[in-house]
Amino acid sequence: SQTIHQWPATLVQPVGSPLSLECTVEGTSNPNLYWYRQAAGRGLQLLFYSIGIDQISSEVPQNLSASRPQDRQFILSSKKLLLSDSGFYLCAWSLLAHTGELFFGEGSRLTVL
Amino acid sequence: DAKTTQPNSMESNEEEPVHLPCNHSTISGTDYIHWYRQLPSQGPEYVIHGLTSNVNNRMASLAIAEDRKSSTLILHRATLRDAAVYYCILRDVGEETSGSRLTFGEGTQLTVNP
Repeated sequence: SQTIHQWPATLVQPVGSPLSLECTVEGTSNPNLYWYRQAAGRGLQLLFYSIGIDQISSEVPQNLSASRPQDRQFILSSKKLLLSDSGFYLCAWSLLAHTGELFFGEGSRLTVL
Repeated sequence: DAKTTQPNSMESNEEEPVHLPCNHSTISGTDYIHWYRQLPSQGPEYVIHGLTSNVNNRMASLAIAEDRKSSTLILHRATLRDAAVYYCILRDVGEETSGSRLTFGEGTQLTVNP
């Protein structure tokens, strides 16, 4: 069966520090991968999506970047965090030629102080 | 992208049916209607989806209006564990090969009273 893992689960970082959130998917090949962010009490904002290795599309301009060095690995990074980067970050995957159902990870809660 | 409109919040009593509405007046012919729900501090989970016909699964039923401009998620007997934010989303089947994307609005917060 397929599983998705994100880490770390929680993170407290000072403004200006770097960020790295990692997501891996197991049990499937060539998934579509997504990074979402959710501010407190709000909906989910799509940040990045990827249909293959080194194929990343950005939905919203920001100081974040994403990379996909391997088929089932998706990394969200920042060189210098802003206060506004605080939120709940969710990684998700889906398969092509499928129902389009998204499977979400457990989430990473980032607090920037 | 076609948008959806949902009430911010709804309340229900335990073991009673719940009807969660969603308006999508600008839906296109190739848009599927998807529903997800999100429990506190968790990622959303898939509930159900449909195109034109009503759909049933073990979690819920989806009733789609004949003109497809609205839909209703039906929980037949609400439990306390159904308290969550419910999202109604449209997804274009044409995005299967171009990089599928789902945009989530703010959804409906369902409160279930014991």
